[in-house]
Amino acid sequence: QSALTQPRSVSGSPGQSVTISCTGTSSDVGGYNYVSWYQQHPGKAPKVMIYDVTKRPSGVPDRFSGSKSDNTASLTISGLQAEDEADYYCSSYAGGQSYVVFGGGTKLTVL
Amino acid sequence: QLQLQESGPGLLKPSETLSLTCTVSGGSISSASHYWGWIRQPPGKGLEWIGAIYYNGNTFYNPSLKSRVTMSIDTSKSQFSLRLSSLTAADTAVYYCARRLSSSWSHFDSWGQGTLVTVSS
Repeated sequence: QSALTQPRSVSGSPGQSVTISCTGTSSDVGGYNYVSWYQQHPGKAPKVMIYDVTKRPSGVPDRFSGSKSDNTASLTISGLQAEDEADYYCSSYAGGQSYVVFGGGTKLTVL
Repeated sequence: QLQLQESGPGLLKPSETLSLTCTVSGGSISSASHYWGWIRQPPGKGLEWIGAIYYNGNTFYNPSLKSRVTMSIDTSKSQFSLRLSSLTAADTAVYYCARRLSSSWSHFDSWGQGTLVTVSS
């Protein structure tokens, strides 16, 4: 069971937009609309930012949005702010054996 | 406000068995709307899903850990537990307990603070 593939790092300046990709297979990302995105600051527990590909929990700014095309999901953060600097992880349901797989994580740096 | 709190030993030896408990407060562990899960994170590395359990005891495990993992739930104590056997140094990680929506497989909406487990001789 391979982890989902994410870029190791992305960066952007305040006010800009960045997109983080998450590539899987037809057995996970491409096969189900159960992709979530988590934000993790150092020493803290992860926090869900997007679930079910595009849904945003209450309290999460609408600067955060999710999408999916074939076997790749994406998280877009618009209007970057300093507090967005964190690690981001995608996750997906992987059917067949009914489990959850995470991506390797992407470090977002706000320049 | 839902709170989850992990508890258990912080240091174990290779070949030993890890036992962790997650105590849930501020919400019902018997809710049909949620599963209860464990996720771990080795130091400086990414997240790994370990498994999940429903209030009725139904479980799902990561296939790569399935042979060593047992999860249980005690609704009377509002607790669920993880046992991981045959520990090696590779099991050193921060272990998180979390709540997952029944309707969304990968949506963990509430997390514990995490507990560091070190496996070393």
